[in-house]
Amino acid sequence: GENVEQHPSTLSVQEGDSAVIKCTYSDSASNYFPWYKQELGKRPQLIIDIRSNVGEKKDQRIAVTLNKTAKHFSLHITETQPEDSAVYFCAVNNAGNMLTFGGGTRLMVKP
Amino acid sequence: EAGVVQSPRYKIIEKKQPVAFWCNPISGHNTLYWYLQNLGQGPELLIRYENEEAVDDSQLPKDRFSAERLKGVDSTLKIQPAELGDSAVYLCASSRDSLAGNEQFFGPGTRLTVL
Repeated sequence: GENVEQHPSTLSVQEGDSAVIKCTYSDSASNYFPWYKQELGKRPQLIIDIRSNVGEKKDQRIAVTLNKTAKHFSLHITETQPEDSAVYFCAVNNAGNMLTFGGGTRLMVKP
Repeated sequence: EAGVVQSPRYKIIEKKQPVAFWCNPISGHNTLYWYLQNLGQGPELLIRYENEEAVDDSQLPKDRFSAERLKGVDSTLKIQPAELGDSAVYLCASSRDSLAGNEQFFGPGTRLTVL
């Protein structure tokens, strides 16, 4: 089955700095790569996604890059704010749009 | 538009007791997923429904877990009997269909504590 590895597991940055989270996957047939943000005690919420026919996608302060050849993709958050503090999960789809999630990254943005 | 609704939000039971979780997906969403999320980890898929049909339940521990989605709308996940290791958050998600790239919307989850 699909194997998704996510790094780092924790990330602490100063407000205004950038944060980068990386994921690797194993199934070359995967073609959809969403990123979810989960605040403590809340539901996971989609913040950005990318499909395999695109190498990069940006939405305001958030961007995702995809390297299909190397089977890795990354989340970039610029100008971080305290409200960006949460756990971020990458995911990769399998047949039937079922998602395999990474282990998560706890991002802490210090004011 | 109402989101995915789950109940109860919290459940505390003693081991060997039965427990059931309920999920109401977003209206019009044909595909429904149940995930298990252990503390500090990502969600893990248990079962996927296409309308009322369970099309992938390979990760569901069938000796004690069961699920149903009668009429292809609401779904119930049951554990009988519960074990200590079942303590986790059970998340329900739905999507319009199972075509690649359709966003999955998650419910708030049910936090189960087995004593």
